[in-house]
Amino acid sequence: DAGVIQSPRHEVTEMGQEVTLRCKPISGHDYLFWYRQTMMRGLELLIYFNNNVPIDDSGMPEDRFSAKMPNASFSTLKIQPSEPRDSAVYFCASSLRLAGGPNEQFFGPGTRLTVL
Amino acid sequence: AQTVTQSQPEMSVQEAETVTLSCTYDTSESNYYLFWYKQPPSRQMILVIRQEAYKQQNATENRFSVNFQKAAKSFSLKISDSQLGDTAMYFCAFLTQGGSEKLVFGKGTKLTVNP
Repeated sequence: DAGVIQSPRHEVTEMGQEVTLRCKPISGHDYLFWYRQTMMRGLELLIYFNNNVPIDDSGMPEDRFSAKMPNASFSTLKIQPSEPRDSAVYFCASSLRLAGGPNEQFFGPGTRLTVL
Repeated sequence: AQTVTQSQPEMSVQEAETVTLSCTYDTSESNYYLFWYKQPPSRQMILVIRQEAYKQQNATENRFSVNFQKAAKSFSLKISDSQLGDTAMYFCAFLTQGGSEKLVFGKGTKLTVNP
């Protein structure tokens, strides 16, 4: 299995531009998570999906952020318009619900976003 | 809401020695899971070890073990025979059992293993 795939690995853009981050979860997993990592705030959960349906988006910072999961093998996180304070590493993770145990989340390599 | 606190921003240890990383958490839940994740310079998040709160026995994975004190809400990670490849950020994380799948992370401890 290739693991969780994220693209791009690095993104540099200018303030005001639209940014789209992409994620392909591990095949068969039914949960997908988007996290943001910064020095100041650490790792924060932005949103997660179960069977392609958004379950908890309370971590999405503001309306400039949106996430979609049109099918079981693809998700996007979009920032429009982007601002310098959005600069961070964005991780996607996926997991499979198993009876009687915690869902281990498998993380992708992350996308380092820099907004100038 | 659950919170996770890692009080040691940075630690260092000599190769082959033992080091313990601290983690405390706050919750009103009785059933939950705790995790330690490792993030090396490559940035990849890797699960090191996990503990179910209902199990009294401390989890062990090779050179990694935990000291889980439920009453004290403490969950420390011990790394024995430290290796250079253990150099990384270590994050403690909490997951409630049932209901939300929201994983709550601590701010992390940067561990450096010196030769």
